[in-house]
Amino acid sequence: NAGVMQNPRHLVRRRGQEARLRCSPMKGHSHVYWYRQLPEEGLKFMVYLQKENIIDESGMPKERFSAEFPKEGPSILRIQQVVRGDSAAYFCASGQSNTGELFFGEGSRLTVL
Amino acid sequence: AQSVTQPDIHITVSEGASLELRCNYSYGATPYLFWYVQSPGQGLQLLLKYFSGDTLVQGIKGFEAEFKRSQSSFNLRKPSVHWSDAAEYFCAVGALEYGNKLVFGAGTILRVKS
Repeated sequence: NAGVMQNPRHLVRRRGQEARLRCSPMKGHSHVYWYRQLPEEGLKFMVYLQKENIIDESGMPKERFSAEFPKEGPSILRIQQVVRGDSAAYFCASGQSNTGELFFGEGSRLTVL
Repeated sequence: AQSVTQPDIHITVSEGASLELRCNYSYGATPYLFWYVQSPGQGLQLLLKYFSGDTLVQGIKGFEAEFKRSQSSFNLRKPSVHWSDAAEYFCAVGALEYGNKLVFGAGTILRVKS
């Protein structure tokens, strides 16, 4: 049973470009969470999604950031017009329900030049 | 507001010595508590978790943690550290009321001297 798969593992973008990060949850998991880890900080919750629904996006920046989890395919975190401050590791986690254990992917590390 | 405090940013211990990493939380609901470990450039691996019941929890790799409600603490311990334990350790708290919207501490970096 494959774990949470994230890609790309590393992404380099220039300021103003778009970044798309993908996350495939563990098989059987319908709950997906995105967290951001800034350098030398802990993880901060961004958004919680179920299939085709955003349940809680209270941790998402108001502009340039969006997330989706379509009926088919991976969850995507999209950052438009990236700035240097977006450089971080973005972790996806999945679970079988909204409670209990979360399983984390290995993260996507975004570097904005 | 929910918060998790890991007072020690860095800890260095000798291989074979005992280890205790501190975690204190402030949470407005009955907490679920977790310890995760992260090696450089890697994702997070769950070491152990507390949901309810016995307040002394055993995890993987010889780690244990004790939930002390009166002190709002969930400290991680290991009786004898191995060089491979060098990593960053994160304490996290969640609650049934907030689902899996976990709040993480800032982490403690463990260095192991041989």
